Amino acid sequence: QKEVEQNSGPLSVPEGAIASLNCTYSDRVSQSFFWYRQYSGKSPELIMSIYSNGDKEDGRFTAQLNKASQYVSLLIRDSQPSDSATYLCAVMNYGGSQGNLIFGKGTKLSVKP
Amino acid sequence: SAVISQKPSRDICQRGTSLTIQCQVDSQVTMMFWYRQQPGQSLTLIATANQGSEATYESGFVIDKFPISRPNLTFSTLTVSNMSPEDSSIYLCSVRWAGSNTGELFFGEGSRLTVL
Repeated sequence: QKEVEQNSGPLSVPEGAIASLNCTYSDRVSQSFFWYRQYSGKSPELIMSIYSNGDKEDGRFTAQLNKASQYVSLLIRDSQPSDSATYLCAVMNYGGSQGNLIFGKGTKLSVKP
Repeated sequence: SAVISQKPSRDICQRGTSLTIQCQVDSQVTMMFWYRQQPGQSLTLIATANQGSEATYESGFVIDKFPISRPNLTFSTLTVSNMSPEDSSIYLCSVRWAGSNTGELFFGEGSRLTVL
């Protein structure tokens, strides 16, 4: 059973701080990793994808990947109350249904003003 | 940007009835998937909608309960049959755009079903 694990939280950070969200995955052959943001009552929205070891930055977001440790993280700098949402880590399922994504249960982030 | 339209956006249904959810996209896609998100849970893949052929179902999901059609590249339906309260969930259409080599999936707005 291929799994994606996340701390469910809630993770609470003050406005302006760095929020760090972590994810581990079980399938060692995975090559493609994604972070989605889901506001309450809304559908998931893609915010970052990462495919190579190291860091990938996009605005206030930095995704980090360590394939040897089977670990993916998302850093949100200068956190804003509007970042309060559930963040879903997803891994492409190689060998599965046409490359679908396997999702973690998500980490709920709360940014306090 | 390309649009993924799902309808209905929400519905309240009676036990034992069936409901069909539609997903329409306005650009070419290679893959269409149907996911379910039960209350407080993450996304679980129901099936891959294959154009012009039977859908590919994940373990725990069967065609009789979740019949899926995909008559062309840009349209698919998911039917939730003989509903029970356990079927109360958000059902999400997800696509991979044609020409994408990144593996990214994009989601419709979802269909929130409540079964009484």
